[in-house]
Amino acid sequence: GENVEQHPSTLSVQEGDSAVIKCTYSDSASNYFPWYKQELGKRPQLIIDIRSNVGEKKDQRIAVTLNKTAKHFSLHITETQPEDSAVYFCAATPPYSGGGADGLTFGKGTHLIIQP
Amino acid sequence: GAGVSQSPSNKVTEKGKDVELRCDPISGHTALYWYRQSLGQGLEFLIYFQGNSAPDKSGLPSDRFSAERTGGSVSTLTIQRTQQEDSAVYLCASSLEYGGGYEQYFGPGTRLTVT
Repeated sequence: GENVEQHPSTLSVQEGDSAVIKCTYSDSASNYFPWYKQELGKRPQLIIDIRSNVGEKKDQRIAVTLNKTAKHFSLHITETQPEDSAVYFCAATPPYSGGGADGLTFGKGTHLIIQP
Repeated sequence: GAGVSQSPSNKVTEKGKDVELRCDPISGHTALYWYRQSLGQGLEFLIYFQGNSAPDKSGLPSDRFSAERTGGSVSTLTIQRTQQEDSAVYLCASSLEYGGGYEQYFGPGTRLTVT
């Protein structure tokens, strides 16, 4: 099955600086890579996703890059703000197999702390 | 419209008791997923439903865990003879269709504490 590694586990940056979170995956068949943000005590919410036919996707201050050859993808947050403080999870999933346990395989999360 | 809802929000039970957790997906969503999140940990996939069918139950931690979905809507996750290691937040999610590429919308979770 798929295995997703996420680094770092904790990231502290000054407000206004950029933050980068990296993930690697094991299953070369995976083709969908979402990123979820989870604030303390709240449910995970999708912030951006990328499919394997795209190398980069941007949404305002958030961008995701994907390197299929190296099997890694990254989340980039620019001009960080206090409300960006949360736990961020990356995930990967292969195409529908019709029989496997095909949920999302999540990384263990990165606790992003924005220092004022 | 209404999002994914789960009940109860919190459940405290004694070791050895059975518990039932409920998930109401977004109306019209055919796929439903259960995850478990232990304190400070990531999300562990348990099981998914496409309609009322769960093609693969191998993600369930043990045979004390079971899940069902009726009418293509509500799902229940049942844990029999609960153990302390079952303590976690159980999250449900739904998506419009099953398969990679469909956004999963999460419910608020049920925090289960086994004493």
